[in-house]
Amino acid sequence: DAKTTQPPSMDCAEGRAANLPCNHSTISGNEYVYWYRQIHSQGPQYIIHGLKNNETNEMASLIITEDRKSSTLILPHATLRDTAVYYCIGGGTSYGKLTFGQGTILTVHP
Amino acid sequence: KAGVTQTPRYLIKTRGQQVTLSCSPISGHRSVSWYQQTPGQGLQFLFEYFSETQRNKGNFPGRFSGRQFSNSRSEMNVSTLELGDSALYLCASSGRGTMNTEAFFGQGTRLTVV
Repeated sequence: DAKTTQPPSMDCAEGRAANLPCNHSTISGNEYVYWYRQIHSQGPQYIIHGLKNNETNEMASLIITEDRKSSTLILPHATLRDTAVYYCIGGGTSYGKLTFGQGTILTVHP
Repeated sequence: KAGVTQTPRYLIKTRGQQVTLSCSPISGHRSVSWYQQTPGQGLQFLFEYFSETQRNKGNFPGRFSGRQFSNSRSEMNVSTLELGDSALYLCASSGRGTMNTEAFFGQGTRLTVV
């Protein structure tokens, strides 16, 4: 299974941008990069995904490097409700299967 | 649009018993996947169903099984429960059923085996 590397934890001040990095050096050429987050005891929430180009939606922006070996999730104005475990999935996907790593615990503080 | 619904939310079973968990996907979604989440192993893929057929399977023993009905609702069954089966079981549905598509998760069923 593909392996992604994320920092175990990060802190961010409320109102500031949160930039969460992820390395996925074994991603295949046709595999997308996905980001999910999980707030304690709830199911993972889809955030964004992309293949090569940078993507933006109402929740976040996704920046993928040209060689596709790493990506950054950007939450432009973090709030306390953004405190969660953020999972990057970069490879190891197949029908219905997402390969989750350990994720990054993001703590947003006042 | 209603999200993915899992029932029951909480369940306590005795070792050796069997259990059935239910998942109703988002309306129109034909792909349903199941995951097990434990503190030690994290989120692990169990299996995926699409149009009533199991299309993908993770590395779990045969005690874990599932099925999907014609309305896309899915059930998973665990027989001969072990203490280690205590976990949060999550179901996710996907609309397009292709490999590279976003999935939407339910709130999960918390299973405790005593």
